[in-house]
Amino acid sequence: GESVGLHLPTLSVQEGDNSIINCAYSNSASDYFIWYKQESGKGPQFIIDIRSNMDKRQGQRVTVLLNKTVKHLSLQIAATQPGDSAVYFCAENKFNNFNKFYFGSGTKLNVKP
Amino acid sequence: DGGITQSPKYLFRKEGQNVTLSCEQNLNHDAMYWYRQDPGQGLRLIYYSQIVNDFQKGDIAEGYSVSREKKESFPLTVTSAQKNPTAFYLCASSNPPQETQYFGPGTRLLVL
Repeated sequence: GESVGLHLPTLSVQEGDNSIINCAYSNSASDYFIWYKQESGKGPQFIIDIRSNMDKRQGQRVTVLLNKTVKHLSLQIAATQPGDSAVYFCAENKFNNFNKFYFGSGTKLNVKP
Repeated sequence: DGGITQSPKYLFRKEGQNVTLSCEQNLNHDAMYWYRQDPGQGLRLIYYSQIVNDFQKGDIAEGYSVSREKKESFPLTVTSAQKNPTAFYLCASSNPPQETQYFGPGTRLLVL
């Protein structure tokens, strides 16, 4: 399944499928991006980050893709599990401006067993 | 375990009352932040502190106050001037020049 950021705030996928969560960022000068996972009633948890000198970065079961031309960021989760159910949001920042993160409102991922 | 703790998990405020939310970190981070999270919205910055005894207003500081007397502690007071305090409050810290911010578990503030 695939979502389009704020216009599709809920994404439902079957357990074992791959998930793609999208984020359109606002500032063309932003050069550092983070994906966070937030479970209900808990604080955001860092998943993966990427700098603008890269277009792809992989972690454990997650991949972040950055398309600076269209100011688009995506998070791919491989073999989605029930424990992946949460809200995922992106954050953008301009290098060394560590006080000025801009956070998206997020996409809720529902994983169906 | 290194991390950020926030207390209490739930806090109830009466009309005209000031309440203080606690945030403690043992990550030895210099910078600390307070955010407010409302349903369906991105996090909004209330206050931040880059170093002990210094702090700056964020985007929505009105009705809030902070102090930074110790490196590991950054308490937030929600004053009676904050007319819509019901929200989920998140504390974060980072270790400049690294930008990555790490969050605590949050405090949910409700008005009686």
